[in-house]
This record gives sequence, C-alpha cells and structure tokens, in this order.
Amino acid sequence: EAAVTQSPRNKVAVTGGKVTLSCNQTNNHNNMYWYRQDTGHGLRLIHYSYGAGSTEKGDIPDGYKASRPSQENFSLILELATPSQTSVYFCASGTPTGSQNTLYFGAGTRLSVL
Amino acid sequence: QQQVRQSPQSLTVWEGETAILNCSYEDSTFNYFPWYQQFPGEGPALLISISSVSDKKEDGRFTIFFNKREKKLSLHITDSQPGDSATYFCAASNTNTGKLTFGDGTVLTVKP
Repeated sequence: EAAVTQSPRNKVAVTGGKVTLSCNQTNNHNNMYWYRQDTGHGLRLIHYSYGAGSTEKGDIPDGYKASRPSQENFSLILELATPSQTSVYFCASGTPTGSQNTLYFGAGTRLSVL
Repeated sequence: QQQVRQSPQSLTVWEGETAILNCSYEDSTFNYFPWYQQFPGEGPALLISISSVSDKKEDGRFTIFFNKREKKLSLHITDSQPGDSATYFCAASNTNTGKLTFGDGTVLTVKP
C-alpha cells in the first residue's frame, strides 16, 4: 500500500507569515505533486517534481515555492501567506508507467491564513 | 479555459439505482482518464481508469464508457450503495507530461 504522509494536518497562520507544508512518501516514486482543493474548484496543481532536486511549476504556482531535497520529501513553501491561500493542500506521489499515471494522495493539510 | 468538466455537480440516487457521472475534456492529447473517489477528511484514491485506446472499462459495479470522438466519458455505478456516497473526480493526462488535470468533482449521495 502506497504511503504518503503530510504534516501538519492542520495549520493556522497569520497574514505575511511563512508557512512550510511537508510531505513524505515511502513508495520510491519519482514524481511528487502539490495540489490545493477549494470548494467548486476541484484539485488544482501548484508545483510538481520529477525527482530529487527538481521542481516544476504547475497551473497555479504564484505565491508558492517548492523544494524536493530527496526522493522521499517534497515541501510546499508560502513565503508571505495571504488569506486567499486558505485551503486544503494535498500532496501526491506517483511514477508514470506508459500512458498511466496513478497518484497516491496524502490525507491533506488544512491551512487557515488569518 | 477549464480542461476537464464534470456534471452534475451533485447527484442523489436511491440505494440499488444506477448513478451516472459525466465528464468531458478539451485537450485532444489526453490519453489517460482516471476516476478518483474522495471521502470527507481523506485524500482522493484511484477508483478506476481507462486509456484512450479503449471505449469501456469495467471493475465490479463501476464502469467507464469513453467516446474519443466526442471527448466525453462517463462513470456508471450500478446497484449504488450508501457507502458509495463520496465526491468523484474525473481526471486526464497525456504521456508527455504525466500531469493529471482534475475536474471539479461530482458529489454523490446514495440514500438507503
């Protein structure tokens, strides 16, 4: 069973503060992803990575940075948090096989920016 | 422009009925279409998927019907159970990027 662990599970931050969301996977998957989920918008891709040292911009990268220091770990960084970044954030991992790309998601981090 | 669209936004069926969830897409290079199921407080989990070379994929009570020409697909859940109550996401990707693009989801409620 694929295992993706996110921390913290819940976070309250102040506007202008720095927030780091962490993700760890034990599946040895090459790719890792950060999505945010908002009511009415489904899941939107923020950043992703093809392996250690690599980060790529997703569809909504503004206001976010990402870091992939190792195969197992992928962080999402909000340098200057804003209330519009209040959301539920999901990390996922996967290794594309041919045309298939099954993602395994963590349980999510609920972030509130006040 | 939204790449993947789902309808309806919400659907209520009675236990034992067939639920039909619809999905359409814009990008003709998409060739892989997974459906994810999400329960409250959890992350999405893969339910069933289909590649563009097939027009039907069946797994127990769950069936995907795919129409490449019309860029449409649907998920049929037969003999719906209250435990199927969840949010269902249609997603799409192509071999080149491996990125999954998700629709906004359909909230399914199955009443006993």
